[in-house]
Amino acid sequence: DQQVKQNSPSLSVQEGRISILNCDYTNSMFDYFLWYKKYPAEGPTFLISISSIKDKNEDGRFTVFLNKSAKHLSLHIVPSQPGDSAVYFCAARLNTGGFKTIFGAGTRLFVKA
Amino acid sequence: EPEVTQTPSHQVTQMGQEVILRCVPISNHLYFYWYRQILGQKVEFLVSFYNNEISEKSEIFDDQFSVERPDGSNFTLKIRSTKLEDSAMYFCASSRRGGQGFNEQFFGPGTRLTVL
Repeated sequence: DQQVKQNSPSLSVQEGRISILNCDYTNSMFDYFLWYKKYPAEGPTFLISISSIKDKNEDGRFTVFLNKSAKHLSLHIVPSQPGDSAVYFCAARLNTGGFKTIFGAGTRLFVKA
Repeated sequence: EPEVTQTPSHQVTQMGQEVILRCVPISNHLYFYWYRQILGQKVEFLVSFYNNEISEKSEIFDDQFSVERPDGSNFTLKIRSTKLEDSAMYFCASSRRGGQGFNEQFFGPGTRLTVL
């Protein structure tokens, strides 16, 4: 099941610069796309979402862009901070009457001070 | 701040034994979920639960699995006869609503299940 793909297992960025995390999907029926952040020994924490009918959503330092024609979304973090170092999961919600959330494999972000 | 709690944090069991993983969702939430993450792999959806019944489940959630909300606060995942491949981190989550709009899911810290 590869409906949500994060092709970069890791990303290293200097503090203060932009972090760009990418995600591709295959299922046109997803109605929401989500980004979660996960620290070791903790559950995922919701960061930001975007509806499939939007192309951008911004919340503070975090912006998610959605390109439906390319079936691609990205999370931008500006400026990156050392506390942002974590695993970031892209996820997508499938509305089939009930709701199922499909996760990508995650990208580990390292923000260097 | 309210949070989802899970017990135990680590459960070790013998293959073939039954296990029950427990979760206390956030108190005013109505939708409940279980996910699992096998070591080094992605987080996988297992089941969602609303109004005392399963609203969606994945192919992983076969007859060996069941969920229950036995009282007003707990939400449990039972694995009837554990297999080695059930070893994983199991996350419970809850959301206030689950309708057409987006509703943030709040995750617990997880229970690590080890099947020997």
